[in-house]
Amino acid sequence: DTGVSQNPRHKITKRGQNVTFRCDPISEHNRLYWYRQTLGQGPEFLTYFQNEAQLEKSRLLSDRFSAERPKGSFSTLEIQRTEQGDSAMYLCASSRQGQSTEAFFGQGTRLTVV
Amino acid sequence: SQQGEEDPQALSIQEGENATMNCSYKTSINNLQWYRQNSGRGLVHLILIRSNEREKHSGRLRVTLDTSKKSSSLLITASRAADTASYFCATDVMGAQKLVFGQGTRLTINP
Repeated sequence: DTGVSQNPRHKITKRGQNVTFRCDPISEHNRLYWYRQTLGQGPEFLTYFQNEAQLEKSRLLSDRFSAERPKGSFSTLEIQRTEQGDSAMYLCASSRQGQSTEAFFGQGTRLTVV
Repeated sequence: SQQGEEDPQALSIQEGENATMNCSYKTSINNLQWYRQNSGRGLVHLILIRSNEREKHSGRLRVTLDTSKKSSSLLITASRAADTASYFCATDVMGAQKLVFGQGTRLTINP
């Protein structure tokens, strides 16, 4: 499968714990995005990488959230000191550089904070 | 904040009928994309229409774009039970390097 891959698919964690999610984009895509989606809502933008550079971060991304893309390939999203409000689906997408290119999404990581 | 607004929020039709969903947005765009999402799954890309295009077809899908009204529509013809899903429009906002999604339309096709 050469699509966007996210791991794990599901994560249940206790409030206050740290969690880390991984995204492997389509190999020739240099743009990578993280989104968060809560039930019944559309995805909300969190952050964007072009190669290894993090070029934009949403105000939704509090200081407990950090994302990296160290070699311009896979990316990780870490949430420290999780809160119940962090429960959501975390979606990763990738695209080629260019003005009108499709973004392809992974299956997402569903986080439940108990 | 989300830029797009889809209308209706929910739509239920009989199999074989056509389904039309609308999307409105607020700012200038490079393109507009439509996605489908089955319950609890990731988003599947359906179609992209550029800001200088007015209509595009892909199989049973027809998308229109009116940049003067800042609106788009997605038509699914001859609907099937497998089309049951949520449909989202996403705008590639000019200068923003990201997609901004609407709230989605939940489509149910009744057999």
